[in-house]
Amino acid sequence: AQTVTQSQPEMSVQEAETVTLSCTYDTSESDYYLFWYKQPPSRQMILVIRQEAYKQQNATENRFSVNFQKAAKSFSLKISDSQLGDAAMYFCALSRWGGSEKLVFGKGTKLTVNP
Amino acid sequence: GAVVSQHPSRVICKSGTSVKIECRSLDFQATTMFWYRQFPKQSLMLMATSNEGSKATYEQGVEKDKFLINHASLTLSTLTVTSAHPEDSSFYICSASGLQGKISGYTFGSGTRLTVV
Repeated sequence: AQTVTQSQPEMSVQEAETVTLSCTYDTSESDYYLFWYKQPPSRQMILVIRQEAYKQQNATENRFSVNFQKAAKSFSLKISDSQLGDAAMYFCALSRWGGSEKLVFGKGTKLTVNP
Repeated sequence: GAVVSQHPSRVICKSGTSVKIECRSLDFQATTMFWYRQFPKQSLMLMATSNEGSKATYEQGVEKDKFLINHASLTLSTLTVTSAHPEDSSFYICSASGLQGKISGYTFGSGTRLTVV
């Protein structure tokens, strides 16, 4: 079975500062995807970043980057230069290789950005 | 980018009636559709997975006769909550999976807030 654990129910950061959200996972698969999704108050799920497990290079998307440690099964999200619009629930998710495989979500981390 | 249109966004229905929620993939073929339920301040809970033209696969504990899923085409999937009761009140989200461009991925609908009175 695949599991995703987010150990930080809530985090806060000052505007313009950097924050790191933690995620660990467990899977017996060798090929899989890892995702970070953002869910603002509108509740629309927004893809923040995606990582293919076979890629050693950490994914980056503008101010968002990940630290993917495959051996440790860790997939943390770093948000640089935090903005008020970054305030949201953040979910880490895992799927086996292939688009028809279900996503397994962590419980989420609520991020507050203080002005 | 890929878009999944989910309707209605909000619905209030009387106890005992049925409600249908639609999800349409607008610019790609959704080979697989996932239906989730989300309680306040909680994560998404997968209810069922459907592939176009096939019967849905339900997660353990989800009543398939209460939550009817139809995925008759590559662009449309529906979730019907039958004989709804107040405990069915929740936020329901669909997610479509398909080859978006050359990259397989997941696209979420905007969700439906169901209130059963």
